[in-house]
Amino acid sequence: DSGVTQTPKHLITATGQRVTLRCSPRSGDLSVYWYQQSLDQGLQFLIQYYNGEERAKGNILERFSAQQFPDLHSELNLSSLELGDSALYFCASSGDRGFDNEQFFGPGTRLTVL
Amino acid sequence: DAKTTQPTSMDCAEGRAANLPCNHSTISGNEYVYWYRQIHSQGPQYIIHGLKNNETNEMASLIITEDRKSSTLILPHATLRDTAVYYCIVREGSNFGNEKLTFGTGTRLTIIP
Repeated sequence: DSGVTQTPKHLITATGQRVTLRCSPRSGDLSVYWYQQSLDQGLQFLIQYYNGEERAKGNILERFSAQQFPDLHSELNLSSLELGDSALYFCASSGDRGFDNEQFFGPGTRLTVL
Repeated sequence: DAKTTQPTSMDCAEGRAANLPCNHSTISGNEYVYWYRQIHSQGPQYIIHGLKNNETNEMASLIITEDRKSSTLILPHATLRDTAVYYCIVREGSNFGNEKLTFGTGTRLTIIP
């Protein structure tokens, strides 16, 4: 158990819909990262937040957005969903922004868009 | 793009040491080598990381060559539960928001009973 929690575990929805994925980092971790894992693209970094502020952006679509709240939990919002958005979405967290901190991953949310 | 090259797959007998190689010939001085593994569709699990010295923890050992262009992850006594995809990742040491991990395709390690 990494200490990172994600809800829901599974999500099934239809094209065009909007969903919110939630992540709670390990106690005390200030950084939260979101990754997408699809069959054809592998694990890809989407976005990072540190203490409520966006710090780095990866291959995140404009239809996707994220935020980190004062209690440090984070939400990833996916809108106008397409079939290709079906994937595993992982959240990870890390501690103080030290030079070589490792990231700890949650169990993921499996999104299926029908 | 991933900066590492790993074999696509490897087998190892249960109880033996599993040695997973990784090439990172373009690594620069401030870049660390990280290893993660992913068992089936679970979240990736941190294993170990290092800069230039060899490292050991309760899970594995990491051997980095002197020129830092390659490394080997060693699982000393492989068990069936070590069957997973192992990712070798080079990441710039940074506290300026560049901490993202760039995953490649990894090595699928299968432990044979």
